[in-house]
Amino acid sequence: RKEVEQDPGPFNVPEGATVAFNCTYSNSASQSFFWYRQDCRKEPKLLMSVYSSGNEDGRFTAQLNRASQYISLLIRDSKLSDSATYLCVATNSNSGYALNFGKGTSLLVTP
Amino acid sequence: DAGVTQSPTHLIKTRGQQVTLRCSPISGHKSVSWYQQVLGQGPQFIFQYYEKEERGRGNFPDRFSARQFPNYSSELNVNALLLGDSALYLCASTWGRGDEKLFFGSGTQLSVL
Repeated sequence: RKEVEQDPGPFNVPEGATVAFNCTYSNSASQSFFWYRQDCRKEPKLLMSVYSSGNEDGRFTAQLNRASQYISLLIRDSKLSDSATYLCVATNSNSGYALNFGKGTSLLVTP
Repeated sequence: DAGVTQSPTHLIKTRGQQVTLRCSPISGHKSVSWYQQVLGQGPQFIFQYYEKEERGRGNFPDRFSARQFPNYSSELNVNALLLGDSALYLCASTWGRGDEKLFFGSGTQLSVL
């Protein structure tokens, strides 16, 4: 079983739509959580950290539920430029400061 | 300021060969990590180095090794290449060992034929 599981999609949504991605993690000792964005054939880039209290950055909202070991990302008013793969990440303190990445969820925003 | 730089950008090798990939961290960053990303998968942790010492190792065979130099740059070596080693190899740097924000280089695309 992979430590971070997420639906690979693809999610095809029209511009302006709201889309939600979910992921689950198996290591209850994980301390920190993130969403990374990866464009095709490019390096991953940090989108936002995820906190239990929930956090928002413009059109993006992330939420962590430690009891259910569940992480979510909500994108409101989708833009064409949001098309990318979104990687859910949990830290693994058992191995240095490794990041455990999910497989990624592919999002395509269409005109 | 320059970001994380990796070289080469692309590499083609044959099975059984050895390869060395290089990474220069962002100036002032002391920690370098290596990740392997196979097509269709998320990046998988290989190594973390901090202050020239290995601080973490992922589930990779001993054919994979790395080191960090006094200037904090790093090399990843892979011996006896297998077809399955074909992947994008990503280097990431942070200021400290437990720094949460990783900055990735654009990677080295390795193809093993």
